Amino acid sequence: DTAVSQTPKYLVTQMGNDKSIKCEQNLGHDTMYWYKQDSKKFLKIMFSYNNKELIINETVPNRFSPKSPDKAHLNLHINSLELGDSAVYFCASSDYKDTQYFGPGTRLTVL
Amino acid sequence: GENVEQHPSTLSVQEGDSAVIKCTYSDSASNYFPWYKQELGKRPQLIIDIRSNVGEKKDQRIAVTLNKTAKHFSLHITETQPEDSAVYFCAASIGPGTASKLTFGTGTRLQVML
Repeated sequence: DTAVSQTPKYLVTQMGNDKSIKCEQNLGHDTMYWYKQDSKKFLKIMFSYNNKELIINETVPNRFSPKSPDKAHLNLHINSLELGDSAVYFCASSDYKDTQYFGPGTRLTVL
Repeated sequence: GENVEQHPSTLSVQEGDSAVIKCTYSDSASNYFPWYKQELGKRPQLIIDIRSNVGEKKDQRIAVTLNKTAKHFSLHITETQPEDSAVYFCAASIGPGTASKLTFGTGTRLQVML
């Protein structure tokens, strides 16, 4: 009965590789987000989708490409991974009142 | 854009004491102010929120106050317990709406000592 789920939980990869993170929500929400939490715990929004449409793109490098096949899923693909991409990536979804519910996070480590 | 400042960055209290975390925001159009608790290695979880038509909201040992004129809001935890130890984030947004986004503060690490 997990509300917002992400896979994988951990991702360890080499610089230059391409990787994807998947997110699913079963809350019936229309809006989904990707956040990046760096080593100092700072949470910053990256993207927001509403009903499969990109709404917010916070000047994220174009190596990051979100994709929403339907309103319950939001995936994040990262090309040519760099050391600075190491972080925890959280997916979230929100209802019409803007209350956001976070997924468990994906810890990405780039070696 | 919105800028949210949060203080203090760390806070240590004795079990049973109260803890107060303060945030200020820059955009007077912001009208939704949630607080999230993040335990080590876990996801941020909403603990309480307040909207701009309300000055104070309580939920058991947790309360949030909002001063729209001064553009600041605070989290108050009374009778702190060891399980309150975590990082707490405030946030602000202009909403509701499809373009609404949360801007987070930098977090407060609360340690409740036995």
